[in-house]
Amino acid sequence: GQQVMQIPQYQHVQEGEDFTTYCNSSTTLSNIQWYKQRPGGHPVFLIQLVKSGEVKKQKRLTFQFGEAKKNSSLHITATQTTDVGTYFCAGPSGSGNTGKLIFGQGTTLQVKP
Amino acid sequence: DTGVSQDPRHKITKRGQNVTFRCDPISEHNRLYWYRQTLGQGPEFLTYFQNEAQLEKSRLLSDRFSAERPKGSFSTLEIQRTEQGDSAMYLCASSLAQTTNTGELFFGEGSRLTVL
Repeated sequence: GQQVMQIPQYQHVQEGEDFTTYCNSSTTLSNIQWYKQRPGGHPVFLIQLVKSGEVKKQKRLTFQFGEAKKNSSLHITATQTTDVGTYFCAGPSGSGNTGKLIFGQGTTLQVKP
Repeated sequence: DTGVSQDPRHKITKRGQNVTFRCDPISEHNRLYWYRQTLGQGPEFLTYFQNEAQLEKSRLLSDRFSAERPKGSFSTLEIQRTEQGDSAMYLCASSLAQTTNTGELFFGEGSRLTVL
């Protein structure tokens, strides 16, 4: 079945350092979504990417969707302690309008002040 | 608060008992999802509804699990004859599905199940 994989599983950085998480799908995706889950919290939507090669920025966060629409990345510039949490990518199973989103296992970011 | 609400937030039960969770989605959302999450893992898809119709159910879901959304509003997830392996966070989410994509999912706080 379709798989969505993320690396690394954990990342510890010093505050101010950059951070990147990578997401790879076993199948071509019509779109990809990113979520953030704070410790003890629930996933919160960050962004959706739809177009091949798309790049979107949200302040210090940069999201990319690969040309082949099978991979994506999230880059955080100059991390802050508020960035702590687990970042998940998620892609639809099958056609783009299916409700079945497959989540990666997440990358947990720890930031040392 | 007009977000997704779930009840109860925590449930401790003995193996073999039945449990039921309730989810109230954002009112104008037509889709409702149930996911399960264990420690260190991403949310695992269980099932989803569009209005009152259950459109897909994970093959990983045993017959002990059943979900309903009788009037296209709130939903219930029932687990019969609970097993220790059912211990997890059960997350509900809703979205306003559009013609071309799923739309962003709004998650509730979750219902944590512990089976002793």
